[in-house]
Amino acid sequence: SAVISQKPSRDICQRGTSLTIQCQVDSQVTMMFWYRQQPGQSLTLIATANQGSEATYESGFVIDKFPISRPNLTFSTLTVSNMSPEDSSIYLCSVWSGLYGYTFGSGTRLTVV
Amino acid sequence: AQSVTQPDIHITVSEGASLELRCNYSYGATPYLFWYVQSPGQGLQLLLKYFSGDTLVQGIKGFEAEFKRSQSSFNLRKPSVHWSDAAEYFCAVASSMDTGRRALTFGSGTRLQVQP
Repeated sequence: SAVISQKPSRDICQRGTSLTIQCQVDSQVTMMFWYRQQPGQSLTLIATANQGSEATYESGFVIDKFPISRPNLTFSTLTVSNMSPEDSSIYLCSVWSGLYGYTFGSGTRLTVV
Repeated sequence: AQSVTQPDIHITVSEGASLELRCNYSYGATPYLFWYVQSPGQGLQLLLKYFSGDTLVQGIKGFEAEFKRSQSSFNLRKPSVHWSDAAEYFCAVASSMDTGRRALTFGSGTRLQVQP
């Protein structure tokens, strides 16, 4: 299955600042998916990133707040902009790994103070 | 649109007892179905998945799940629970029609507590 390296694993940020999360995949993939997991909650899809086109955002998520970059078939970034304490969550990226199903990054645990 | 329901938010079982976690899905065709486990402070770990074929699926850590099309269910079972099984369990569904082009949809999760 694909292996995803996600960075940073955790961070504590000041409100009003931005954080960029990176996911590097060890193989080429068409789609990359970004999720948010708020404390004590399930995973919610933020957006789907397709190389060469703008990401598709789910209801409740906007590009200005969560800009996504997908420069090639192995890499993507998610930026959490103008952060507030409500953005404190775990952010995960994911890709389809064929017979193995979906592979997830190890997650970025974000705390906004 | 696909959806997943996990009706039990929290379940407590005694160590050594059997376990069944419920999952119901909504999807027009035969879906791809998954169970993940997340221990506190840890990432997601895939327990098992169903794509097609035998409706009884074996996974890691002694877990199994049965796909029942007539009931739109994919319940997770374990015959004897260990204290280390205490965690959050997520059922998830994916489209079998757009393989890899659509994300997983997760249920709300079931928190399992194991009593000694």
